[in-house]
Amino acid sequence: DSGVTQTPKHLITATGQRVTLRCSPRSGDLSVYWYQQSLDQGLQFLIQYYNGEERAKGNILERFSAQQFPDLHSELNLSSLELGDSALYFCASSEQGRGNTIYFGEGSWLTVV
Amino acid sequence: GNSVTQMEGPVTLSEEAFLTINCTYTATGYPSLFWYVQYPGEGLQLLLKATKADDKGSNKGFEATYRKETTSFHLEKGSVQVSDSAVYFCALRYNNNDMRFGAGTRLTVKP
Repeated sequence: DSGVTQTPKHLITATGQRVTLRCSPRSGDLSVYWYQQSLDQGLQFLIQYYNGEERAKGNILERFSAQQFPDLHSELNLSSLELGDSALYFCASSEQGRGNTIYFGEGSWLTVV
Repeated sequence: GNSVTQMEGPVTLSEEAFLTINCTYTATGYPSLFWYVQYPGEGLQLLLKATKADDKGSNKGFEATYRKETTSFHLEKGSVQVSDSAVYFCALRYNNNDMRFGAGTRLTVKP
């Protein structure tokens, strides 16, 4: 158990809909990351937050947004969903500091039908 | 920019065979290097890491050495087991930025 908690574990929704994925980082970790894993794109970095502020942005679509709340949990919002958004979405967290490990949750499986 | 290139596989080995999964990186400065493993239906778990040149990371019989001169961090294990079947990801992290991953290498070990 990495200590990173993600909900829901599985989600099936229709095209055009909006979903919210939730993440609780490890206790004490200020940084939260979101990654998307799909068969054809591999593991793609989406966005990073540090202590409530956006720190870095990767290949995140404009239809997607995220935020980190004062209690450090984070949400990833996916809207106007398309079939191609079906993927495994990982949240991860880390302490600050060179070489610190990023710890991953078990992921949220999103299927868009 | 910072990136990682790893042997894509898939790799199929017999039990007790020697494993090497190649990983090379491109980075400015001196990143930290990692190997993660993803077992079927699970998230990514840290396997080992090295934070500076010539460091050797090791765990569960796996080893990798941070080679600055060849910009490599190859994963090795002397005798694989069926339970090692998984997808292995090489990754780098520079300062406090996000982790950059390779494409992953699927390993299947047959009894």
